[in-house]
Amino acid sequence: QKEVEQNSGPLSVPEGAIASLNCTYSDRGSQSFFWYRQYSGKSPELIMFIYSNGDKEDGRFTAQLNKASQYVSLLIRDSQPSDSATYLCAGAAGPGTYKYIFGTGTRLKVLA
Amino acid sequence: GAVVSQHPSWVICKSGTSVKIECRSLDFQATTMFWYRQFPKQSLMLMATSNEGSKATYEQGVEKDKFLINHASLTLSTLTVTSAHPEDSSFYICSATPALAADTDTQYFGPGTRLTVL
Repeated sequence: QKEVEQNSGPLSVPEGAIASLNCTYSDRGSQSFFWYRQYSGKSPELIMFIYSNGDKEDGRFTAQLNKASQYVSLLIRDSQPSDSATYLCAGAAGPGTYKYIFGTGTRLKVLA
Repeated sequence: GAVVSQHPSWVICKSGTSVKIECRSLDFQATTMFWYRQFPKQSLMLMATSNEGSKATYEQGVEKDKFLINHASLTLSTLTVTSAHPEDSSFYICSATPALAADTDTQYFGPGTRLTVL
């Protein structure tokens, strides 16, 4: 069974620190990976996607993909209390498919 | 860009009635739309995948006769919860993937519809 796994947390970091969120996946056929942020009672919003091995940076966010080790991570620099939310990792279910396999999410708390 | 809307944002209904939820892609045409359900403190659960002009594909365990999906155009999909019961109370979220874009497999989510069945 194809799975995406995340530590449920909560992960607590002080304001201004780097938050590191990790995700592992079981399906080697997955090509695309996505990070979403979900505030309580709201729907997920896309932070970034990554297709290639290595790092991808967008503002305070950096996604990292290592296909050999089958893990994806998200780094949040200069964490702010407004970053406190649940972060969902998703992998496309296979090449050419739009269907995602979601992790259960990691709850992040940024302490002021 | 890539805005998805849902209507209504919340609905309260009596047990046994049907409720229709609309999902629209406002500034793009959607190849595929997805319907999810989320219970409190749980992750998203995919209910079905919807392609314009064809029948929806339901996930295992989701009753297609209870959750009717119509995808009439490239910008509109509807989910009808038929004969709703209190256990159907949940947060229903749709998402859509752009038909023409560099990120054709990226899902953009609507704001969700909170359904409460009394």
